[in-house]
Amino acid sequence: DVKVTQSSRYLVKRTGEKVFLECVQDMDHENMFWYRQDPGLGLRLIYFSYDVKMKEKGDIPEGYSVSREKKERFSLILESASTNQTSMYLCASSPGTAYNSPLHFGNGTRLTVT
Amino acid sequence: QKEVEQNSGPLSVPEGAIASLNCTYSDRGSQSFFWYRQYSGKSPELIMSIYSNGDKEDGRFTAQLNKASQYVSLLIRDSQPSDSATYLCAVKMGAGSARQLTFGSGTQLTVLP
Repeated sequence: DVKVTQSSRYLVKRTGEKVFLECVQDMDHENMFWYRQDPGLGLRLIYFSYDVKMKEKGDIPEGYSVSREKKERFSLILESASTNQTSMYLCASSPGTAYNSPLHFGNGTRLTVT
Repeated sequence: QKEVEQNSGPLSVPEGAIASLNCTYSDRGSQSFFWYRQYSGKSPELIMSIYSNGDKEDGRFTAQLNKASQYVSLLIRDSQPSDSATYLCAVKMGAGSARQLTFGSGTQLTVLP
């Protein structure tokens, strides 16, 4: 079974703090993704990476950056946390770009910025 | 216009009934379609995928795809209370794109005992 592990289940941070969300997958997947999920807005793609050190912006990259130094690890960074970044953050991975490559999700990190 | 739209719900059906969940998408070039189930407080899990026009059955679940109408649906037969969850439609827009999936906002289903 594919395992995608997010380092924290719940996080509470203060406005202006630098926040790191970590994600590790154990299946040697090429692609990794960060989404945020908000009520009524669904899942929105923040950033994705298709190879080590490679990244592309998703639909809502503002206020976020990412790092992928190793294939199995993909980090999401909130440079200066703001209250509108309070959300559920979901990491996902997939094995390739083939039409039948589904996403495998981690358990999510619920971030609250106060 | 949203790229992937689902009936907003919430949807309630009695136990044993058929639940019908619908999804439309805007990109005619879309090739792959997925249904994810998400229980409250949990992450999405893949339950069905469909790539060709027609029906695909897996146990109590049937996915239906009509590319001409840009429409995909999920039927759940003999609905059980354990099926109560939010169902997310996801569409892969474009072959070979690492961008992967665009999600609808989800339909919340409640199966009443």
